[in-house]
Amino acid sequence: DVKVTQSSRYLVKRTGEKVFLECVQDMDHENMFWYRQDPGLGLRLIYFSYDVKMKEKGDIPEGYSVSREKKERFSLILESASTNQTSMYLCASSSGTLNTEAFFGQGTRLTVV
Amino acid sequence: GDSVTQMEGPVTLSEEAFLTINCTYTATGYPSLFWYVQYPGEGLQLLLKATKADDKGSNKGFEATYRKETTSFHLEKGSVQVSDSAVYFCALSDRETSGSRLTFGEGTQLTVNP
Repeated sequence: DVKVTQSSRYLVKRTGEKVFLECVQDMDHENMFWYRQDPGLGLRLIYFSYDVKMKEKGDIPEGYSVSREKKERFSLILESASTNQTSMYLCASSSGTLNTEAFFGQGTRLTVV
Repeated sequence: GDSVTQMEGPVTLSEEAFLTINCTYTATGYPSLFWYVQYPGEGLQLLLKATKADDKGSNKGFEATYRKETTSFHLEKGSVQVSDSAVYFCALSDRETSGSRLTFGEGTQLTVNP
């Protein structure tokens, strides 16, 4: 069974804290993605990566950074958490093949207080 | 840039009713189209996809046809069940212009009552 695993289902952090969200996939996929999901806005892409140590900004990268040191792991970092970063965060991966689907993790519900 | 527009929700139906969720898209290239479903408390999972014009994707009784002339990919099911209650997302992937990234619609919450 293919799997994308996010390290936490629920997190509560304080304003100003540095927050790490971890994602691991076991499918040897080249591509990995971080989205945030907010009601009425759908999923918005924060960052993505096509290969180890490579990253590209998505639509809403401000306030976030990422790290991909190994192919199977893609980390999202909130440098200084703010209340407007309270959201559901979804990690996904896909192969480099044309027209392929993306596989999603179960999501991390982050609350910044 | 690429974009996806879904019909406004939420949608509430009775069991065995017919379902349509509208989806239209804007893309500069020739995208692949997807429907994803999110059950309560879970991540997204692929429901169906279509990669070229006039393709019909189908799964679990759901269908959608890639209509290039109307830039649409409407989701349909002839008889919904309570277990179909979920959020449905239309998405596209335009490899020529945006690599393998997916662009999503806003999502449509479906509730099916017994």
